[in-house]
Amino acid sequence: DQQVKQNSPSLSVQEGRISILNCDYTNSMFDYFLWYKKYPAEGPTFLISISSIKDKNEDGRFTVFLNKSAKHLSLHIVPSQPGDSAVYFCAASASSGSARQLTFGSGTQLTVLP
Amino acid sequence: DSGVTQTPKHLITATGQRVTLRCSPRSGDLSVYWYQQSLDQGLQFLIQYYNGEERAKGNILERFSAQQFPDLHSELNLSSLELGDSALYFCASSSIPGHVGAFFGQGTRLTVV
Repeated sequence: DQQVKQNSPSLSVQEGRISILNCDYTNSMFDYFLWYKKYPAEGPTFLISISSIKDKNEDGRFTVFLNKSAKHLSLHIVPSQPGDSAVYFCAASASSGSARQLTFGSGTQLTVLP
Repeated sequence: DSGVTQTPKHLITATGQRVTLRCSPRSGDLSVYWYQQSLDQGLQFLIQYYNGEERAKGNILERFSAQQFPDLHSELNLSSLELGDSALYFCASSSIPGHVGAFFGQGTRLTVV
């Protein structure tokens, strides 16, 4: 049972345009959401996060939107740059006592075309 | 460079064997997490340690075990290896038990032949 789903395995966008990566979740106990970027032969790198008490968080070119009623979040990258080409993972977290673990989606390969 | 070091980077071994993967967390981080990424899959949480104690367990097989040592480095032991254990194994660390902004190592690619 996939609790975090990224239904688009790949996305291609022209340089300078907006990239929108989507993520859906099923577990209503998730209260913290994160996006990671991963280049080949490297570990995932934390990008941006959002708490369930917010519906938007912005950091430079990256904005994450959370729609709790739809159990949906999205990552917007604008303007997209060729260096943004990577696999993007959505992750969600629920508190379990003093522990937290991340549940990851399967990733979306973003290709930004020059 | 995330500051999390994993060794070895690559490992090829035969079915039935046992291997140990090592992780050194970022300086000052007390929490260590292990994840498995199989082909075309997302990262699956295996286990978390905090300051030497097991804190959370995910979908970790009984053939797998881990520990965190007093110097905070961690080892993931995989035994009776099967072809399906071939995957990327990532270690992550954070300064608090929570996962917020955990930093990942480069991973160990395990190939079981």
